[in-house]
Amino acid sequence: QSALTQPASVSGSPGQSITISCTGTSSDVGGYDYVSWYQQHPGKAPKLMIYDVSKRPSGDSNRFSGSKSGNTASLIISGLQAEDEADYFCSSYTSRSTYVFGTGTKVTVL
Amino acid sequence: EVQLVESGGGLVQPGGSLRLSCAASGFTFSDYSMHWVRQAPGKGLQYVSTISSNGDSTYYENSVEGRFTISRDNSKNTLYLQMGSLRAEDMAVYYCARGLFDCWGQGTLVTVSS
Repeated sequence: QSALTQPASVSGSPGQSITISCTGTSSDVGGYDYVSWYQQHPGKAPKLMIYDVSKRPSGDSNRFSGSKSGNTASLIISGLQAEDEADYFCSSYTSRSTYVFGTGTKVTVL
Repeated sequence: EVQLVESGGGLVQPGGSLRLSCAASGFTFSDYSMHWVRQAPGKGLQYVSTISSNGDSTYYENSVEGRFTISRDNSKNTLYLQMGSLRAEDMAVYYCARGLFDCWGQGTLVTVSS
């Protein structure tokens, strides 16, 4: 299973909005509404930010939102803050009943 | 508090075996499917395996199928990963995660080297 494709890096200024893409195939992203997004700070475990394409875990920041079109999912971070600087990974359920993760995107707050 | 704590990592020679454990607390373990995910040093996340809530169904990433076995003991609230025929490319921090990947452990490092 090939990793989902994400841009290596995305940057933005505080207060701006940024979008991270996650491209797969019809056997994963395009075939199921089971795309999730994770935030990972250095040396820490990943944290779930979005699941089922656009759902947020209870209590989490509404500055994070998700969407999907065809084989590409997107994570939008609005009102960028310094604490958002981290690595972000997407994942998707697959036709083999397994999961596949994205290549990862480093977000830099300028 | 929902908590997952991995253990069992360490240094192993190529071709060797190791068993990882993941102790769960703060939730009804038997209600959730569970996963193993790994991360090589400086690299991204890689899916390893999933087990259903009752243990009847298991799934594996292609590169570990036939070498790794996922299992669980719901009476002990513990998830396992038996790893065999270990290769240099299996070296990574191994995380266990719950259901929707909404809870992760802190990870345990597996080093494969002679």
